[in-house]
Amino acid sequence: DAKTTQPPSMDCAEGRAANLPCNHSTISGNEYVYWYRQIHSQGPQYIIHGLKNNETNEMASLIITEDRKSSTLILPHATLRDTAVYYCIVRADWTGSRLTFGEGTQLTVNP
Amino acid sequence: NAGVTQTPKFQVLKTGQSMTLQCAQDMNHEYMSWYRQDPGMGLRLIHYSVGAGITDQGEVPNGYNVSRSTTEDFPLRLLSAAPSQTSVYFCASSYSHGGQMYGYTFGSGTRLTVV
Repeated sequence: DAKTTQPPSMDCAEGRAANLPCNHSTISGNEYVYWYRQIHSQGPQYIIHGLKNNETNEMASLIITEDRKSSTLILPHATLRDTAVYYCIVRADWTGSRLTFGEGTQLTVNP
Repeated sequence: NAGVTQTPKFQVLKTGQSMTLQCAQDMNHEYMSWYRQDPGMGLRLIHYSVGAGITDQGEVPNGYNVSRSTTEDFPLRLLSAAPSQTSVYFCASSYSHGGQMYGYTFGSGTRLTVV
């Protein structure tokens, strides 16, 4: 699986959009980008994933650059409950159920 | 659906004791995994399974055994507990459809302390 690089921490004001970057410059053509988050002491929560097109669901939007070397997770209207560690993971489907977590980004939403 | 259910939620063991952490899912997911998370650290994969009867090792398998006799259950056995196994253990399940792997659903965790 390709290595990812994320900033260790970010801050965001409540009600504003939170844009979390992820660099995956060694991504290969069959690898997807997945985002998870972990709120303190809870199990990780799946947010969204994509291959090359931008994706949106009820939780967030995922923007993947055309060369696929980086992506951005967007929480459009951050709330205090979005304070969590966010993990960007790149993996290929053929690896089955292996999921490798890196260090992630600690997002703090401030009132 | 209950999702992924882990029992017990808390456990204290003495060094050398054995125990089984239970994990069950009711979503008919073929993929299941066990992770551990030490304080202030990320998640590390212990063992995983791609279907009933099939298991494989992750990055930190030593001291743990797993089996997958049914699609629903994926128990994790600690053979002889050591203080280094003090951690929070998470079980997760997922599925694939149309050649695409979907996101994992995680349980709420088992907090294990070995004294």
